[in-house]
Amino acid sequence: DAGVTQSPTHLIKTRGQHVTLRCSPISGHKSVSWYQQVLGQGPQFIFQYYEKEERGRGNFPDRFSARQFPNYSSELNVNALLLGDSALYLCASSPREDQPQHFGDGTRLSIL
Amino acid sequence: GENVEQHPSTLSVQEGDSAVIKCTYSDSASNYFPWYKQELGKGPQLIIDIRSNVGEKKDQRIAVTLNKTAKHFSLHITETQPEDSAVYFCAASIKAGGTSYGKLTFGQGTILTVHP
Repeated sequence: DAGVTQSPTHLIKTRGQHVTLRCSPISGHKSVSWYQQVLGQGPQFIFQYYEKEERGRGNFPDRFSARQFPNYSSELNVNALLLGDSALYLCASSPREDQPQHFGDGTRLSIL
Repeated sequence: GENVEQHPSTLSVQEGDSAVIKCTYSDSASNYFPWYKQELGKGPQLIIDIRSNVGEKKDQRIAVTLNKTAKHFSLHITETQPEDSAVYFCAASIKAGGTSYGKLTFGQGTILTVHP
C-alpha cells in the first residue's frame, strides 16, 4: 500500500511569494496533520484536519492556512514567504484523529 | 503548552550494545507517547508508541517505558545494529476530546550512531 505522498519534494521560492504544498494520505485515512521541521530540530505542529474540518492549529501566523478536500487530501498554503519559512514541511495521516500518525517524506522548501 | 525535553542529543554505541534515550514532558494531561526514527532525507517513521494506561511496551529489540509520576519516558534499543543509526524523536500528545487531539509535541531529537 502507498504511504503518505507529498508534492513537490523540493521547492525554491523568493521572499514575498506564496506556496502551495500538497499531501495525499494513506488510503482510508481521514485525518491529516501538517508539521514544520527546521534543520536540526523536531517537527512543530501547524494544523490538523479531520473529515474536512480544522481540529487543531499550532502557534503559526495567519500567513499559514490549510484545507482538506472530500477525498481527504490536503493543501498547506503559505503567503508572503519569509526567509525563516525555509524548512521541511511534513504531512502525517491517521485513520481517525486519535490514532497513530504516519508521516510522508516531506517537501523541502527553500526561500531565497 | 506542552514541552518535551529529550536527552542525549547525540549517542554513539558499538554494534551489539544497548542504547537508551530519555524524554520528559511537562503537561500531566499528556497520555500518548510515540517514538519516531528519521533517516536522512526521509520523514519520521513510527517505531513504537505507548499510552498512559501501561508502563512498558516491547516490540522485538525495542522497548518503551513510561513513568507517569515523574513525567518521563524512555526508548530502549537492545542488540543495536548499524542500520539503527538515525535521528530518534520522542513526542507527546493528549488523547482526549478537543483540538489538541492530534497535536504531537516533539523533543529535539537524538542522533544515534552505531559503529560496526
